[in-house]
Amino acid sequence: EAGVVQSPRYKIIEKKQPVAFWCNPISGHNTLYWYRQNLGQGPELLIRYENEEAVDDSQLPKDRFSAERLKGVDSTLKIQPAELGDSAVYLCASSRPGFTDTQYFGPGTRLTVL
Amino acid sequence: AQSVTQLGSHVSVSEGALVLLRCNYSSSVPPYLFWYVQYPNQGLQLLLKYTSAATLVKGINGFEAEFKKSETSFHLTKPSAHMSDAAEYFCAVSWDGNQFYFGTGTSLTVIP
Repeated sequence: EAGVVQSPRYKIIEKKQPVAFWCNPISGHNTLYWYRQNLGQGPELLIRYENEEAVDDSQLPKDRFSAERLKGVDSTLKIQPAELGDSAVYLCASSRPGFTDTQYFGPGTRLTVL
Repeated sequence: AQSVTQLGSHVSVSEGALVLLRCNYSSSVPPYLFWYVQYPNQGLQLLLKYTSAATLVKGINGFEAEFKKSETSFHLTKPSAHMSDAAEYFCAVSWDGNQFYFGTGTSLTVIP
């Protein structure tokens, strides 16, 4: 089966610019996660979706970050405006119904904010 | 606060030597425990997981980990390191199967 797809793989932007990341989970995986991984750190959850519903967005900085998962499949994570501290790798993961303890990760989008 | 600690941000071993990567959690309630591997410019890949069954868990690529409740540990081992094992390794915990907490990672270098 195809893995989790993310695009773009790399993005370089100036601060205060907007940016968006896209994720296509594995087919049939209804749970989708967005993580941020800072350099030298482990991933930290930003938001978790069950189908199209965001069930945990407590760590999402809502003043500048937004996410959506229309139709419960693809998802988009947006930052507007970006700040220098947003430079990180943004990882998307998905899991099957009833098997949320096994997540499959995409390759990530490496964001550099100048 | 519940958390996970990986001792040693960098570990170097010779090819063929034992690999030991350490992970401890801080909670009186045993969590689900996971080890992930991340190769450069790739996402995380699950190596193995402990979900309250056998305490010795075997994973992919010859890795295994043992859950020790008395030591609140879940150390990752491999008897003989290969060059292809060079990567970043992350320990993760979850108490509800939904919220996961990752350690800061251990970078494994394999010396030929």
